[in-house]
Amino acid sequence: GAGVSQSPSNKVTEKGKDVELRCDPISGHTALYWYRQSLGQGLEFLIYFQGNSAPDKSGLPSDRFSAERTGGSVSTLTIQRTQQEDSAVYLCASSLFGAANQPQHFGDGTRLSIL
Amino acid sequence: GESVGLHLPTLSVQEGDNSIINCAYSNSASDYFIWYKQESGKGPQFIIDIRSNMDKRQGQRVTVLLNKTVKHLSLQIAATQPGDSAVYFCAETYTGNQFYFGTGTSLTVIP
Repeated sequence: GAGVSQSPSNKVTEKGKDVELRCDPISGHTALYWYRQSLGQGLEFLIYFQGNSAPDKSGLPSDRFSAERTGGSVSTLTIQRTQQEDSAVYLCASSLFGAANQPQHFGDGTRLSIL
Repeated sequence: GESVGLHLPTLSVQEGDNSIINCAYSNSASDYFIWYKQESGKGPQFIIDIRSNMDKRQGQRVTVLLNKTVKHLSLQIAATQPGDSAVYFCAETYTGNQFYFGTGTSLTVIP
């Protein structure tokens, strides 16, 4: 497809388990972003990739969160030892260049529920 | 952190009327702003953007106004349609790669 693809669309897991969320950006987009959206809230920035490197990790809430990107394309957000407060929708976006004046194109997110 | 807020969390308008959604931002260094529309269960969808060297920009049925003096952004939707019902977010950036989003305004169009 032409848009940003995220998988799974929904994930339910028990507290303490690890989860991996996947993002396939739009082909050719060099910048990739991860956000978290809690119910009824705006988007909370997590991390930004330019190519395979992450110049801005400032938004990761704790060391339980990590992300990687390989081949300048697919990215994986990993949450270790999940907690109930991690429950949210995790959104991925990509843009053509990681600079200002480039709108981000979003996927439909992964809805994560921690029991 | 940054503060990007919306004056009205909810807005109801009659079909055919014009809608105005407002947004305040706190960082005078922000130089690029975007409005997004988010429907239930979907990711945010780009509507329109504006750079800080502009005061107004028009798209199809939408207009964004930027008032840098009071750090205020608005989105005007002309002839609002039922399909416009969604949550609208404004976002700002001054770094170019980290965007700050408001909490959103829920727009309901009454047929």
